[in-house]
Amino acid sequence: GAVVSQHPSWVICKSGTSVKIECRSLDFQATTMFWYRQFPKQSLMLMATSNEGSKATYEQGVEKDKFLINHASLTLSTLTVTSAHPEDSSFYICSARDPTPEQFFGPGTRLTVL
Amino acid sequence: RKEVEQDPGPFNVPEGATVAFNCTYSNSASQSFFWYRQDCRKEPKLLMSVYSSGNEDGRFTAQLNRASQYISLLIRDSKLSDSATYLCVVNGDRDDKIIFGKGTRLHILP
Repeated sequence: GAVVSQHPSWVICKSGTSVKIECRSLDFQATTMFWYRQFPKQSLMLMATSNEGSKATYEQGVEKDKFLINHASLTLSTLTVTSAHPEDSSFYICSARDPTPEQFFGPGTRLTVL
Repeated sequence: RKEVEQDPGPFNVPEGATVAFNCTYSNSASQSFFWYRQDCRKEPKLLMSVYSSGNEDGRFTAQLNRASQYISLLIRDSKLSDSATYLCVVNGDRDDKIIFGKGTRLHILP
């Protein structure tokens, strides 16, 4: 149980385009989903926390207009990187939790912006 | 003091040896503690939760010391496949905020 999927697993795009990443909890209802970013050889950085049906809470320094998060259902959250630039290239990972404290992570999406 | 602090390592340990590392946390009100494992270029995976009474799963033992505000992970009879980064995770000020340590890199040597 507790499987989280992400799509796509990798994406290459041109600078200035927008990229949408989906995160799904496959066998449980995720009351909360988290989006992280991880640059090479660095630790996970929490970008935002989203609860189903409400606006996401962004961490300090994360632009909410650039990283749009939608958590429309208990099994799906999306992250859209708008007007992506090369410095946005990173490994984006979502995680989901039900009412228990453990988080379960998706396999990640590797974004490369040319 | 950082919210969650870990020795980054790397710990280079011969196969079969026992290795232990700690993680300190600053928020005395924290209630939930976990160890995650992350392999290179992969997502973190839950290794084990850490309970007040300690927790053992095979070769892995996790303990919580509330008085000194740290958790520990002990790996016995280490295997080559144990090589990974081990992330300490603690819940923060809000119930839904989880704080990750920067991880401890472990290399098991043949």
